Amino acid sequence: GDSVTQMEGPVTLSEEACLTINCTYTATGYPSLFWYVQYPGEGLQLLLKATKADDKGSNKGFEATYRKETTSFHLEKGSVQVSDSAVYFCALSDPNRDDKIIFGKGTRLHILP
Amino acid sequence: SQTIHQWPATLVQPVGSPLSLECTVEGTSNPNLYWYRQAAGRGLQLLFYSVGIGQISSEVPQNLSASRPQDRQFILSSKKLLLSDSGFYLCAWSEGLAHDNEQFFGPGTRLTVL
Repeated sequence: GDSVTQMEGPVTLSEEACLTINCTYTATGYPSLFWYVQYPGEGLQLLLKATKADDKGSNKGFEATYRKETTSFHLEKGSVQVSDSAVYFCALSDPNRDDKIIFGKGTRLHILP
Repeated sequence: SQTIHQWPATLVQPVGSPLSLECTVEGTSNPNLYWYRQAAGRGLQLLFYSVGIGQISSEVPQNLSASRPQDRQFILSSKKLLLSDSGFYLCAWSEGLAHDNEQFFGPGTRLTVL
């Protein structure tokens, strides 16, 4: 069945460092791909999304490109801030498999000042 | 604008007691509604989803149940809580198909079963 695998955390970086959080997926169809972010004590909110191959989603300095050939959707940011500390979830939604989103297990990111 | 409410925010219950968590959405009609559980080290697990009043799909076998008595109300229940039911419960809604539309999450309920 469909699944999402993202890198284990926690990831700890210094402020202004480069960030990459890896995400790969398995799906039978052509899914839409998402990154959600959960700040401490809050629910999840959508960070960015891409709905077809080679699309690039971007928001708040974060980017992710839908790579069908490698079934990946890695999250990147060139210079992280302390306020980026949160848990990041990669997710997919396959239109051929009901109307729901499948989430990865989440990656906790700590940014040190 | 649309908003989603969950209550209570935190709950401590003894093993074997009943549970009722409520989620309501404002500012939209006929939303898709979802219940997730976030347990430590296990990520986000979809428990139930609903595409309309009285229509509930269960994703995992468990001692929890869900109901949708009104268009914008989604309730998560249990007759007898287990220790393993502890976790952070999130309600979410989406307008239309999940693969085209963002899911909006509530603030969550932290449940501790003792």
